[in-house]
Amino acid sequence: GESVGLHLPTLSVQEGDNSIINCAYSNSASDYFIWYKQESGKGPQFIIDIRSNMDKRQGQRVTVLLNKTVKHLSLQIAATQPGDSAVYFCAESIQGAQKLVFGQGTRLTINP
Amino acid sequence: SAVISQKPSRDICQRGTSLTIQCQVDSQVTMMFWYRQQPGQSLTLIATANQGSEATYESGFVIDKFPISRPNLTFSTLTVSNMSPEDSSIYLCSVDSPGTDTQYFGPGTRLTVL
Repeated sequence: GESVGLHLPTLSVQEGDNSIINCAYSNSASDYFIWYKQESGKGPQFIIDIRSNMDKRQGQRVTVLLNKTVKHLSLQIAATQPGDSAVYFCAESIQGAQKLVFGQGTRLTINP
Repeated sequence: SAVISQKPSRDICQRGTSLTIQCQVDSQVTMMFWYRQQPGQSLTLIATANQGSEATYESGFVIDKFPISRPNLTFSTLTVSNMSPEDSSIYLCSVDSPGTDTQYFGPGTRLTVL
């Protein structure tokens, strides 16, 4: 399939290591945030979300951290696997606005 | 989450022609969205399509270039009109999840304009 994000920031980690992907969001009024994973040739896949009344949320092998003071969002992936290789996007919205604004994305490569 | 399909999955078109992309959902949804993802870029919202009303377009996108239909609660189309090479992109539809602000995406349509 086609490669998405040829010019995106990249992060390479060894298989089994933890990875942290960062995102700076722009709108201080945003109160809902989502991380998506996009594999080559596919549409974005929902990973995890968080509302602004929380600063941390955990899923299966993933944790999202939100720092509203500096408008920063991060996605931590534990014990990375080859299948984690993809482009990761953060998205922000204002509750009820039903409009997502996407960040630039980060390409994560897992080295064997 | 809803199962979303798009047709065609990819196409190569000549400049000056138009292409209509279809988005089908396996359940009724209130809102459907169309995004563009240019090569090496992130996603940009083109418009929001509600059933029974005209689509709402984002700044920089106009109905004459990207006409949208939403005939029912499970289907929408996006037409890319009078195409030029700059329209070469991935076009994605998404749907809202009832009661949340989450959106789920289709697989995308990869358009190349020669």
